[in-house]
Amino acid sequence: QVQLQESGPGLVKPSETLSLNCTVSGDSISSYYWSWIRQPAGKGLEWIGRIYTSGNVNYNPSLKSRVTMSVDTSKNQFSLKLTSVTAADTAVYYCARENGAARPVDYWGQGTLVTVSS
Amino acid sequence: DIQMTQSPSSLSASVGDRVTITCRASQSISSYLNWYQQKPGKAPKLLIYAASSLQSGVPSSFSGSGSGTDFTLTISSLQPEDFATYYCQQSYTTPRTFGQGTKLEIK
Repeated sequence: QVQLQESGPGLVKPSETLSLNCTVSGDSISSYYWSWIRQPAGKGLEWIGRIYTSGNVNYNPSLKSRVTMSVDTSKNQFSLKLTSVTAADTAVYYCARENGAARPVDYWGQGTLVTVSS
Repeated sequence: DIQMTQSPSSLSASVGDRVTITCRASQSISSYLNWYQQKPGKAPKLLIYAASSLQSGVPSSFSGSGSGTDFTLTISSLQPEDFATYYCQQSYTTPRTFGQGTKLEIK
């Protein structure tokens, strides 16, 4: 059974960088698309972007200038960095697996709340 | 970006009812439409992919249909565990986009 687990600080100061890792267990990280999706409290889902294990990325244009994703196949892990955060970036952040180029998200992490506050 | 619009935004129904949720895309997405169920404090769960394919382990009371721009999710007989928020999502192109959600509540 594939499992994803987010890790990282739960509190980030405004203007600083949000950094999260996602560790994948139960399967190799190779040959899938790995995504980040966020959800502000009481609101809907926003797709941040995805990375293929080759390193190819697709970012949401609304966040593209502030987002960097990377993958470490040796650790079965992928990462998200979001720079210059504001209170609007406060949300539950999910890591997830897309099961192919035009496929749905079939596995999700449990989510981690990141609060942007001084 | 492709805009996904769900209706209704909320819905009250009773156990045993048949309910339908609709999702409209701002342009044709062929059959690249997925449905997720989310319960409070939990990650979304994939129910239906490619418009009408049932994800493994999902009850057959859930079904999906549609293609192009108009899609529906139907629950044939509501069970207590079905009360949740439902989201559609297009996987036709990036950025992936979700509908705003439909909250299904107990009447």
